[in-house]
Amino acid sequence: SQTIHQWPATLVQPVGSPLSLECTVEGTSNPNLYWYRQAAGRGLQLLFYSVGIGQISSEVPQNLSASRPQDRQFILSSKKLLLSDSGFYLCAWSAYDTQYFGPGTRLTVL
Amino acid sequence: SQQGEEDPQALSIQEGENATMNCSYKTSINNLQWYRQNSGRGLVHLILIRSNEREKHSGRLRVTLDTSKKSSSLLITASRAADTASYFCATDGEYGNKLVFGAGTILRVKS
Repeated sequence: SQTIHQWPATLVQPVGSPLSLECTVEGTSNPNLYWYRQAAGRGLQLLFYSVGIGQISSEVPQNLSASRPQDRQFILSSKKLLLSDSGFYLCAWSAYDTQYFGPGTRLTVL
Repeated sequence: SQQGEEDPQALSIQEGENATMNCSYKTSINNLQWYRQNSGRGLVHLILIRSNEREKHSGRLRVTLDTSKKSSSLLITASRAADTASYFCATDGEYGNKLVFGAGTILRVKS
């Protein structure tokens, strides 16, 4: 069966520090991968998606970037965090129409 | 911008009652999906209904889709305290393999 992992689960970072969140998927090949951000009490905002290694589409201009160095690995990064980067970050994968989500990373930027 | 908009924003019911949540969207779709999110957790897929379907059931869940009104409803029958969560609809349509999520309905089931 397929599983999706995200780490870390929680992160507190100072403004201006770098960020690296990792997402890995097991049990499937060549999945579509997605990064979402969820502000408190709100819906999900799609940040990036990838249909293959090295193929990244950015949905919203921002302070973040994404990379897909391996088929089942998706990384969300920032060189300098802003206060507005705080939120709940969710990674997801899909093979057809349905998306399957990881447990999320709660990021607090102070 | 959000494609799906859920209504109501929050719903509080007693255990055993039915809960109905609605979702409206703007553009043509291929399918519409409903997801559940427990507090502080990832989303869990509940049900997918395709544009050529009008109703779908899964256990205590019943989803309807009216493409002429661009709306869908999720009915949870005989609710339980464990159903307490946020519920989101998501649509694809012109976005291909991307989904657009609404802001969600927060459901609280009191025991």
